[in-house]
Amino acid sequence: QVQLVESGGGVVQPGRSLRLSCAASGFTFSSYGMHWVRQAPGKGLEWVAVISYDGSNKYYADSVKGRFTISRDNSKNTLYLQMNSLRAEDTAVYYCAKDFADCSGGSCYLGVSILDYWGQGTLVTVSS
Amino acid sequence: DIQMTQSPSSLSASVGDRVTITCRASQSISSYLNWYQQKPGKAPKLLIYAASSLQSGVPSRFSGSGSGTDFTLNISSLQPDDFATYYCQQSYTTPPVTFGQGTKLEIK
Repeated sequence: QVQLVESGGGVVQPGRSLRLSCAASGFTFSSYGMHWVRQAPGKGLEWVAVISYDGSNKYYADSVKGRFTISRDNSKNTLYLQMNSLRAEDTAVYYCAKDFADCSGGSCYLGVSILDYWGQGTLVTVSS
Repeated sequence: DIQMTQSPSSLSASVGDRVTITCRASQSISSYLNWYQQKPGKAPKLLIYAASSLQSGVPSRFSGSGSGTDFTLNISSLQPDDFATYYCQQSYTTPPVTFGQGTKLEIK
């Protein structure tokens, strides 16, 4: 069965950096685009970033562009989110999510942006 | 960016009730609309994709309809496990992915 397990969250001071990881299993990781979505305490869902199945294409929400970097290591079945210059407003639970589309044929670009499996989330708190 | 607006923001209902949640897009998104369920402290779960396709394993009391700008999520007979927050999400023009603000379904 599909499993996504995030790690790397914690408390960090404003302006500092943190790297989140998402370990994937139960599916062919290298065939699927992957997303990061966050949820501030008591708030709704906010999409953060997407990476294509092969890592060649990446897009970001305007709120994190230039500060966050999404990447993946298909040999390790792991997705990453490098977060720099963190701000209080980045405080949230961060979820990784798998895209619905199987890109093993090599032609689906980023996927279809249907998020069919999610990890349990990891909490990032930005506070001095 | 396409804006998604859900109504109502919250809703009280009883077990056995039929419930409808509405989602409106700021422009036409054809049928590129997905619904998620989230329980407190848990990750969202995909319920319906492409406006009306039921995700594998999701009970048939859930259904979705609509196209263009107006969509609905229906729960035919509420069960205790259905009390949660529901989000719509457009996948027509992405990135960025955009979600509705959520509808909290509570027990009356």
